[in-house]
Amino acid sequence: AQTVTQSQPEMSVQEAETVTLSCTYDTSESDYYLFWYKQPPSRQMILVIRQEAYKQQNATENRFSVNFQKAAKSFSLKISDSQLGDAAMYFCAYSPPGEKSSGDKLTFGTGTRLAVRP
Amino acid sequence: EAQVTQNPRYLITVTGKKLTVTCSQNMNHEYMSWYRQDPGLGLRQIYYSMNVEVTDKGDVPEGYKVSRKEKRNFPLILESPSPNQTSLYFCASRLAVGYEQYFGPGTRLTVT
Repeated sequence: AQTVTQSQPEMSVQEAETVTLSCTYDTSESDYYLFWYKQPPSRQMILVIRQEAYKQQNATENRFSVNFQKAAKSFSLKISDSQLGDAAMYFCAYSPPGEKSSGDKLTFGTGTRLAVRP
Repeated sequence: EAQVTQNPRYLITVTGKKLTVTCSQNMNHEYMSWYRQDPGLGLRQIYYSMNVEVTDKGDVPEGYKVSRKEKRNFPLILESPSPNQTSLYFCASRLAVGYEQYFGPGTRLTVT
């Protein structure tokens, strides 16, 4: 079974600074999908960014970008110019490729709680 | 508005009393899933469905049942709830594997 590891239970960043959240995963597949989800205090799960493993280019969404290192099985999230609204729990998630072989499995890490200091 | 709805949002019940949490999506998605979220454990998949009448176990299916009689609905059934099923539950849907999961607002279940 695939595993996703987030080794930082809590992180803190000063407003306007940059922070990087780490995520590693274990898989024998060559093609797969990776996600970062944000969960603010409202508990709503919000997609932050998505990466397709076959794409070399790192995904970016405004202030959010990833450092995808396929060989190292690492998928870190960088938040630039941190804002108070970025304070939340962040989950890394892995999705295997084809539907027939692996169904619709989505494996989450245990999360990193990010605090933003004003 | 495209959304996943769940009901109830909060539920307190007693051990052994059957309950159903409903889930509905209006995006015509093929894939639907149920997750539970527990502190320190992240989200764990309970069951998923890739089409009407097609369901399969996730990582923690024990004590749960699901059904997919219609494309839009995917209820979660606890036939005999126990205190270790106290958790935050999320329903989610997506168009296909690899696409974004759309999550419902969550159901906070307490079993005493």
